[in-house]
Amino acid sequence: DTGVSQDPRHKITKRGQNVTFRCDPISEHNRLYWYRQTLGQGPEFLTYFQNEAQLEKSRLLSDRFSAERPKGSFSTLEIQRTEQGDSAMYLCASSPEGQSQETQYFGPGTRLLVL
Amino acid sequence: GENVEQHPSTLSVQEGDSAVIKCTYSDSASNYFPWYKQELGKRPQLIIDIRSNVGEKKDQRIAVTLNKTAKHFSLHITETQPEDSAVYFCAATSWGYQKVTFGTGTKLQVIP
Repeated sequence: DTGVSQDPRHKITKRGQNVTFRCDPISEHNRLYWYRQTLGQGPEFLTYFQNEAQLEKSRLLSDRFSAERPKGSFSTLEIQRTEQGDSAMYLCASSPEGQSQETQYFGPGTRLLVL
Repeated sequence: GENVEQHPSTLSVQEGDSAVIKCTYSDSASNYFPWYKQELGKRPQLIIDIRSNVGEKKDQRIAVTLNKTAKHFSLHITETQPEDSAVYFCAATSWGYQKVTFGTGTKLQVIP
């Protein structure tokens, strides 16, 4: 499968624990995005990377959230001191440079449940 | 920031009938409007998109129209089939600006 991949697909954790998710974009895509999706809602933008640079962060991304893309390839999203309100699907997407840069291809998501 | 509203939230049609989903956006700078289909438990998948320099785009049974003046765009699915059943999201963004704003989704049910 040459699409966007995410790991793990499901995560159950207790409130207060830290969790980390990984996203591997399509190999030639230099743009990477993180979204959060709750039940019955559309994806909400969290943050965006161009290569290794994090260029934009949403106000939704509190201090407990941090994202990295150290080598401009895969990315990680860490949530510290998880809260029940963090329970959601975390989606990663990537897009190429150039004319089709707006077209984002999504991964399967990581479903987080905070107990 | 951009705000995208989507209607209806649920839509049931008989197989073979047409389905129309409508979205409005607030930011006149938005110039790219993708539509995504999301089946239960699966990733959103791009099904069609339109840029602001065209008013209509068609791909087989799916078409999208855009009215820049009124700031609304619509998805039209003709000859619906049971496999069209899914949640559909509209979205808006502008070229060079990476944040995509999604609508709240329309759950389409095609009744055989």
